Amino acid sequence: SQTIHQWPATLVQPVGSPLSLECTVEGTSNPNLYWYRQAAGRGLQLLFYSVGIGQISSEVPQNLSASRPQDRQFILSSKKLLLSDSGFYLCAWSNRRDRGSPHRGYTFGSGTRLTVV
Amino acid sequence: AQSVSQHNHHVILSEAASLELGCNYSYGGTVNLFWYVQYPGQHLQLLLKYFSGDPLVKGIKGFEAEFIKSKFSFNLRKPSVQWSDTAEYFCAVIMTTDSWGKFQFGAGTQVVVTP
Repeated sequence: SQTIHQWPATLVQPVGSPLSLECTVEGTSNPNLYWYRQAAGRGLQLLFYSVGIGQISSEVPQNLSASRPQDRQFILSSKKLLLSDSGFYLCAWSNRRDRGSPHRGYTFGSGTRLTVV
Repeated sequence: AQSVSQHNHHVILSEAASLELGCNYSYGGTVNLFWYVQYPGQHLQLLLKYFSGDPLVKGIKGFEAEFIKSKFSFNLRKPSVQWSDTAEYFCAVIMTTDSWGKFQFGAGTQVVVTP
């Protein structure tokens, strides 16, 4: 069965420090991978998505970056954290599908609560 | 611009009351529609989804949703809520032409069910 692992669950980091959040998927190959940020009252904002190794698309300009060094590994990074980077970060995966065919939906990781102090 | 709107940010109701959460979207083409739920301390889970066919879809835990194309709506309902339905609920939309699987989520509705 497919599973998704995301860690760490919580993280407190000082302003200006680096960040690395990791997400791995098991039980599937060639998944589409996503990083979302969840802010209270604002829903889920798509940050990055990837359809293959080394292929990263950014949805919003920001202080963060993403990488996909392996097929089932997706990493969210920052060189220098800002206070505004605080939030709840979610990784998700979905199957590839043909254009026009139904989407099965995402499977989400358990999330990382990041507090920048 | 494409968007998803959830009408209520916060709903408080008593056990056994009926629940209806509104969701409207502003996409011009064919869409797939979803409701996700996040229970306290847990990860987001799929509640139900609509692809095509019968506009009334049933999901887990007694939830259902109705797709009304003319109103661009996909409202979530449950006839009688339980305390365990306390959670945050998210509506999500994706264009069927989107090959990258980029969902657009609503802002979420926090539902609190009191005993």
